Amino acid sequence: NAGVMQNPRHLVRRRGQEARLRCSPMKGHSHVYWYRQLPEEGLKFMVYLQKENIIDESGMPKERFSAEFPKEGPSILRIQQVVRGDSAAYFCASSPDRSGLNYGYTFGSGTRLTVV
Amino acid sequence: SQKIEQNSEALNIQEGKTATLTCNYTNYSPAYLQWYRQDPGRGPVFLLLIRENEKEKRKERLKVTFDTTLKQSLFHITASQPADSATYLCALASWNTDKLIFGTGTRLQVFP
Repeated sequence: NAGVMQNPRHLVRRRGQEARLRCSPMKGHSHVYWYRQLPEEGLKFMVYLQKENIIDESGMPKERFSAEFPKEGPSILRIQQVVRGDSAAYFCASSPDRSGLNYGYTFGSGTRLTVV
Repeated sequence: SQKIEQNSEALNIQEGKTATLTCNYTNYSPAYLQWYRQDPGRGPVFLLLIRENEKEKRKERLKVTFDTTLKQSLFHITASQPADSATYLCALASWNTDKLIFGTGTRLQVFP
């Protein structure tokens, strides 16, 4: 079991471009969460998805950000028209149950987005 | 407002001693609390989970306590080693939410 796979590990985008971050959860995990982390700050919740459904997107900015978890394929976090303030590490986590109730979350290694 | 507070200052201890990290929360009624370890440039790794009706949990050299009256969890690493040096995050979830909320973490440095 390869764990949670995120790609790319590093992504550089110019202001105004689109960033697409991918996350393949662990096999058997149907719950996916995206978090953002700035240097010296904690993990900030962005969105929680189950297959084909967004369950909670309360932490995601209303504009420019979107997420999906299709029936087939990885979960995608999409940031349109990136700005410098979007530069951060974006982590994806998966769990076999809601909120990691019994087993905790398994995190990927993150995608480090740099906007220049 | 809801807050999860961990010591922002790094904790420096000598190898072999017990490290104790604190997690305090306000305006939460957590159903359970989790602790994670994060190394630089990596994603957090799940360590332990403790439920609201449990006072203490142990796993090898790790021990977690959960006091819902004090609204506090303590995380202990006994016989600490330099390899334990990392940032440790606590996270809470309530029964009526679908996500974990994380504290900002405490950096632990164990020196020989």
